[in-house]
Amino acid sequence: GAVVSQHPSRVICKSGTSVKIECRSLDFQATTMFWYRQFPKQSLMLMATSNEGSKATYEQGVEKDKFLINHASLTLSTLTVTSAHPEDSSFYICSARASGGPYNEQFFGPGTRLTVL
Amino acid sequence: AQTVTQSQPEMSVQEAETVTLSCTYDTSESDYYLFWYKQPPSRQMILVIRQEAYKQQNATENRFSVNFQKAAKSFSLKISDSQLGDAAMYFCAYANSGYALNFGKGTSLLVTP
Repeated sequence: GAVVSQHPSRVICKSGTSVKIECRSLDFQATTMFWYRQFPKQSLMLMATSNEGSKATYEQGVEKDKFLINHASLTLSTLTVTSAHPEDSSFYICSARASGGPYNEQFFGPGTRLTVL
Repeated sequence: AQTVTQSQPEMSVQEAETVTLSCTYDTSESDYYLFWYKQPPSRQMILVIRQEAYKQQNATENRFSVNFQKAAKSFSLKISDSQLGDAAMYFCAYANSGYALNFGKGTSLLVTP
């Protein structure tokens, strides 16, 4: 099956710093990638939809200036958490939808655990 | 907006027995997709089964099957012959074609020997 990787898998940073998370589709082209956030014992909440070559679409309540998303190629999307604060600590998961893929299927990355001290 | 409701925060089943996880959803669309995802402790999301709304036949994948009731907007997951490895969080999800998944709050499934 299709494989999506995320890097890093785990990151700890100081408050006020920026952190970049990469999401790559390894064996397929993804015109659309999605970024989700999952707090402990909660469900996945969509943050933004990223389309290759265009600006990301953010969900209501998600600050686009704080969570910068870039989808510069068909295999890579990045999420940058700018000026991170402890409340940004969470599990961030990306998913990728294959170009022309059937059934609206999305393939998930393994997630990135962000801890902001 | 579409909503997905999982009314069972936690379920328990004995090994080799059958368990059914409930899911209801709300939508005004006629064409959409429904999914069940499994999230084990590793937190990797794993697709268990999918259902296209236009198909009347219930989807089946080995020990996993769904009961899709479109009029009632119900989409339950049945796990037969439960195994210890089935223990995980299970999320029901809805999506319109090309759009992101909308997840329910999840059901934690415990499997006892």
